[in-house]
Amino acid sequence: DGGITQSPKYLFRKEGQNVTLSCEQNLNHDAMYWYRQDPGQGLRLIYYSQIVNDFQKGDIAEGYSVSREKKESFPLTVTSAQKNPTAFYLCASSPGLNNEQFFGPGTRLTVL
Amino acid sequence: RKEVEQDPGPFNVPEGATVAFNCTYSNSASQSFFWYRQDCRKEPKLLMSVYSSGNEDGRFTAQLNRASQYISLLIRDSKLSDSATYLCVVNMNYGGSQGNLIFGKGTKLSVKP
Repeated sequence: DGGITQSPKYLFRKEGQNVTLSCEQNLNHDAMYWYRQDPGQGLRLIYYSQIVNDFQKGDIAEGYSVSREKKESFPLTVTSAQKNPTAFYLCASSPGLNNEQFFGPGTRLTVL
Repeated sequence: RKEVEQDPGPFNVPEGATVAFNCTYSNSASQSFFWYRQDCRKEPKLLMSVYSSGNEDGRFTAQLNRASQYISLLIRDSKLSDSATYLCVVNMNYGGSQGNLIFGKGTKLSVKP
């Protein structure tokens, strides 16, 4: 089945540790995105990538890093520099920037 | 003016009611408009795109008013399963370059028996 997957669904980490969230899509989409959602809040864009080996900062990139070595994959690393990393992280993809985005099921990260 | 603005609600309506949501956007050059639905603790899912001429999908009707820079979503004959948060989504266009989609914070709908 075509789609976008994220793993793991739930993740617990100790404060001060880096953690990498996985995002894979087999929709042949060029663009991929990472969002963060806090309880009762809207989506905030962390990073996005329009094409392989290229990515741009979103509104809240500080404390995060990404890579786009393959079209299908866009992993997000939450570093120890991120002050409040506990949140719901959503990955999305689209054919291009202007098109509707399709979301993965999300990863709930809790930093203890 | 915020880029995409929605009434957060909640809208509490009985089953069978008709409910309408509005969303305003700031960028007059925006070209793409969507409504998404997000269930509690789940990912957003595309409900429908919004076309200039307006469009309908079953009980759902979407309208675009470019002059006033707002889009609307009308839900007829509400079902319990329509309870969710509805996100208004608009692309930004700066200097002729189509930019990213901007998601509104959402309007919460609760349909009661």
